Amino acid sequence: DTAVSQTPKYLVTQMGNDKSIKCEQNLGHDTMYWYKQDSKKFLKIMFSYNNKELIINETVPNRFSPKSPDKAHLNLHINSLELGDSAVYFCASSASPGGARETQYFGPGTRLLVL
Amino acid sequence: GNSVTQMEGPVTLSEEAFLTINCTYTATGYPSLFWYVQYPGEGLQLLLKATKADDKGSNKGFEATYRKETTSFHLEKGSVQVSDSAVYFCALLGGSQGNLIFGKGTKLSVKP
Repeated sequence: DTAVSQTPKYLVTQMGNDKSIKCEQNLGHDTMYWYKQDSKKFLKIMFSYNNKELIINETVPNRFSPKSPDKAHLNLHINSLELGDSAVYFCASSASPGGARETQYFGPGTRLLVL
Repeated sequence: GNSVTQMEGPVTLSEEAFLTINCTYTATGYPSLFWYVQYPGEGLQLLLKATKADDKGSNKGFEATYRKETTSFHLEKGSVQVSDSAVYFCALLGGSQGNLIFGKGTKLSVKP
């Protein structure tokens, strides 16, 4: 059983399109995250939800909108895609936010290429 | 603010060589520290972690010790294998909101 799963694994699309990436975790965790990995492999937090409530919203264009229909799912919708949005997007989850011993478990990533 | 600095790569070693990847951090308090590994074409996997000073995390022959006096968490392995070729990320748990703050990653290539 995959603990944190993402779909799709690969996404190739044209500039200006709108696309969504889905994430699901079956670990019973309360907290979920979206991270972006750029072409130089640098990873940075984008959003975090705890029990369906947004708790972290980094400086991300408002074309990116996360949605958490329940605490097992955190989706990422991107409007008006731009070339610079090409990256690998990782979903992660943890039992709760900020606990000193928390481990985050990552999904396999979604490789987005905007043409 | 909190940050993580790790040695620039790429690092190329022969099989059975000794590995050290340096990681230092800047943070208020004593955050938990992690090493994650990303194999080619795959996602991030937790390799090891330490949650307080002087803790040693270990897994798959890799070790790292949380040193608060030098604010370091260097990754070591006594004898690397070709299968260890991957990108290694040092990270700290950045505050009450719980997000990880990552270093820039170090690519390791192990040659037979």
